[in-house]
Amino acid sequence: DSGVTQTPKHLITATGQRVTLRCSPRSGDLSVYWYQQSLDQGLQFLIQYYNGEERAKGNILERFSAQQFPDLHSELNLSSLELGDSALYFCASSVDGQGIQYFGAGTRLSVL
Amino acid sequence: GENVEQHPSTLSVQEGDSAVIKCTYSDSASNYFPWYKQELGKRPQLIIDIRSNVGEKKDQRIAVTLNKTAKHFSLHITETQPEDSAVYFCAASKVAGNQFYFGTGTSLTVIP
Repeated sequence: DSGVTQTPKHLITATGQRVTLRCSPRSGDLSVYWYQQSLDQGLQFLIQYYNGEERAKGNILERFSAQQFPDLHSELNLSSLELGDSALYFCASSVDGQGIQYFGAGTRLSVL
Repeated sequence: GENVEQHPSTLSVQEGDSAVIKCTYSDSASNYFPWYKQELGKRPQLIIDIRSNVGEKKDQRIAVTLNKTAKHFSLHITETQPEDSAVYFCAASKVAGNQFYFGTGTSLTVIP
């Protein structure tokens, strides 16, 4: 167990819908990262937050947004869902945004 | 931005043989290089990492080498075992910001 908690584990929804994925970082970690992993694909970096502020942005679609709250948990919001958004979404955390990233178990999103 | 290439995409070895996975990166400012192991349906887990101030690091059967001049780094697994079968990802990062750029992954199969 990495100490990073992601909920829910599985999510099944329909096209056009909106969902929220939640991540609680390891105790003491200030930085949170979101990744998307499609079937047989690598890890695509979406966005990073550090202590509540956006630090880096990757290949995140405009339909997607995220935020990190004062208690340091983070949420990834996916809207106007399309079939191609079906993927594993991982959250990772690190202490200071400059070292090892620890991954959560992921949320498997299925868009039908 | 950074571009990380990883080879091979698939690798099969006999149990007890060695396995080598290679990655190249493009940004000479990258200075942190972790390797993650991902078993089917599970989270990526850090197995070893190296910083740019050293050329080699070893942890039991796993070693990583770094050639900063050529901008490539490699993962070496000796005396492979069936439980080493997984997808391995390399990544490159700059300390400032800590955005990871992942390679596309290598699916390693160790044949008993």
